[in-house]
Amino acid sequence: NAGVTQTPKFQVLKTGQSMTLQCAQDMNHEYMSWYRQDPGMGLRLIHYSVGAGITDQGEVPNGYNVSRSTTEDFPLRLLSAAPSQTSVYFCASRKQGGNEQFFGPGTRLTVL
Amino acid sequence: GQSLEQPSEVTAVEGAIVQINCTYQTSGFYGLSWYQQHDGGAPTFLSYNALDGLEETGRFSSFLSRSDSYGYLLLQELQMKDSASYFCAVRMDSSYKLIFGSGTRLLVRP
Repeated sequence: NAGVTQTPKFQVLKTGQSMTLQCAQDMNHEYMSWYRQDPGMGLRLIHYSVGAGITDQGEVPNGYNVSRSTTEDFPLRLLSAAPSQTSVYFCASRKQGGNEQFFGPGTRLTVL
Repeated sequence: GQSLEQPSEVTAVEGAIVQINCTYQTSGFYGLSWYQQHDGGAPTFLSYNALDGLEETGRFSSFLSRSDSYGYLLLQELQMKDSASYFCAVRMDSSYKLIFGSGTRLLVRP
């Protein structure tokens, strides 16, 4: 199993550009989520999904969209990048009924 | 609002025991998790406590007191590789949401 994979590892954007961060898992986990981590801070939940076709907002959803068309994939879209979105983004998955979240390696995003 | 409080930094000597505390104030509570994160890496799961008491997993133990809204992570026989950041996280309800603390940076010295 590859676990949770994320692409790209690094990305630089200009203000106003849009892009999609990719996340996939091959563990057949029902739950997937996106977090952002800023320096010296914990992880903050952006959006999450409890299954294909179902998504909901977390703590800091503004400026981001998600969709969950399959169990495996959970892309995060930045609609119009802003410098405040410079951060490290982690995708995670969890099996229904389980307590352990499995995190991807992260995407380091810089918005100029 | 929701808040989780952890010390920002802890330093300990190799072979020693260290305790990292976490106090929380949340509108709901299902359980407390702990995650480890090395610099530049992804968080990895260490433990989950839903009930009061101590859970032991090898050198690591985690404790929860629901009445005190308090938990801690205990690391024994510290090794250099334990130098990392440790995050507590509250599962607030039956949904998927976790609220994370700001993390405790542990430095293990020889």
